[in-house]
Amino acid sequence: GENVEQHPSTLSVQEGDSAVIKCTYSDSASNYFPWYKQELGKRPQLIIDIRSNVGEKKDQRIAVTLNKTAKHFSLHITETQPEDSAVYFCAASGRDDKIIFGKGTRLHILP
Amino acid sequence: NAGVMQNPRHLVRRRGQEARLRCSPMKGHSHVYWYRQLPEEGLKFMVYLQKENIIDESGMPKERFSAEFPKEGPSILRIQQVVRGDSAAYFCASSLAGGAHQPQHFGDGTRLSIL
Repeated sequence: GENVEQHPSTLSVQEGDSAVIKCTYSDSASNYFPWYKQELGKRPQLIIDIRSNVGEKKDQRIAVTLNKTAKHFSLHITETQPEDSAVYFCAASGRDDKIIFGKGTRLHILP
Repeated sequence: NAGVMQNPRHLVRRRGQEARLRCSPMKGHSHVYWYRQLPEEGLKFMVYLQKENIIDESGMPKERFSAEFPKEGPSILRIQQVVRGDSAAYFCASSLAGGAHQPQHFGDGTRLSIL
């Protein structure tokens, strides 16, 4: 089955700087990669997703890149703001229609 | 347009009791997924259901756990004879159609505490 690894587990960046979270997946048949943001005690919220027929997708300050050959995908947040502090989860799904999540990255935006 | 509704938000049970967690999907969504989240960890897939059908239950323990999504009413995740290790947040998500290419929208979760 699919296995998703996510790094780093914790990330601290100065407000205004960029943050990058990286994930790898194991199943070459995976073709859908969503990213979720979860604030403390709240529900995971879908912030961006990418399908395997594109290499990059951008939505304002958030962008996701996908390298199918290397089975890597990454989340980039530019001009970080205090409200970006949260736990971010990458995920992958493919042949069996299940979404498999990474273990999460706790992002701290420092004032 | 109400989102995914889960209740109760918090549930306390003593060891050996039964826990019933409810999930009403978003309007128009007929596919429901249950996940379990331990503190400081990610979301672990448990079960995927459509109306009256279990599509994939590979992440759900074979004993004590069951799930249903009847023709009428919410999806129910049932845990019998609860143990301390069942303490976790249980999230439900729904999607418009089948397949994981459809965005899944999550409810606020049920936080289950076992005394």
